[in-house]
Amino acid sequence: DAGITQSPRHKVTETGTPVTLRCHQTENHRYMYWYRQDPGHGLRLIHYSYGVKDTDKGEVSDGYSVSRSKTEDFLLTLESATSSQTSVYFCAITRGPGTEAFFGQGTRLTVV
Amino acid sequence: DQQVKQNSPSLSVQEGRISILNCDYTNSMFDYFLWYKKYPAEGPTFLISISSIKDKNEDGRFTVFLNKSAKHLSLHIVPSQPGDSAVYFCAARKMKTSYDKVIFGPGTSLSVIP
Repeated sequence: DAGITQSPRHKVTETGTPVTLRCHQTENHRYMYWYRQDPGHGLRLIHYSYGVKDTDKGEVSDGYSVSRSKTEDFLLTLESATSSQTSVYFCAITRGPGTEAFFGQGTRLTVV
Repeated sequence: DQQVKQNSPSLSVQEGRISILNCDYTNSMFDYFLWYKKYPAEGPTFLISISSIKDKNEDGRFTVFLNKSAKHLSLHIVPSQPGDSAVYFCAARKMKTSYDKVIFGPGTSLSVIP
């Protein structure tokens, strides 16, 4: 178990509301990632972080922002949720920039 | 356009037989390939990888074969067990790039029938 906790595990929210998902790790790794998983698309990178206050955009970053104020926490915010953001969101960590990832258990988000 | 393709969304195999999951890629710059396994309501877990300097990598019941000229790789599971029932994601990147450059395929759902 790689020590990654995502919260909440499930959330239903209304269109237009802001939503924040949390990823907490106990491994003290620098590298953290947020993915979304959708049928037919696999896992797509939203944002990633290579250290405190060091974040960058991934493939599908529009409508999302992130923050990393502590090594252990990586927050994903949907500024104004839309139905297209209904998805399963996974946080991941890596020991180094090119090593294999350990994933959290996921957050199922439904935007109605 | 998907750079990593898994053209079979699902696959059913009898317990004890071989499971073969296929993956094709379009970017000839990819030289490192990974397979992840995902159970329902859990996150993906790393299964096996292969770099382009090899054409085969084995780990117990799992073997990955790489055909660079065809831009094709396959994951063989022998013998298949009911506990192997999961979604399998193929992924690829250039070796000297960082993990944020990994591209995942859409996944293949494997059902192993007892």
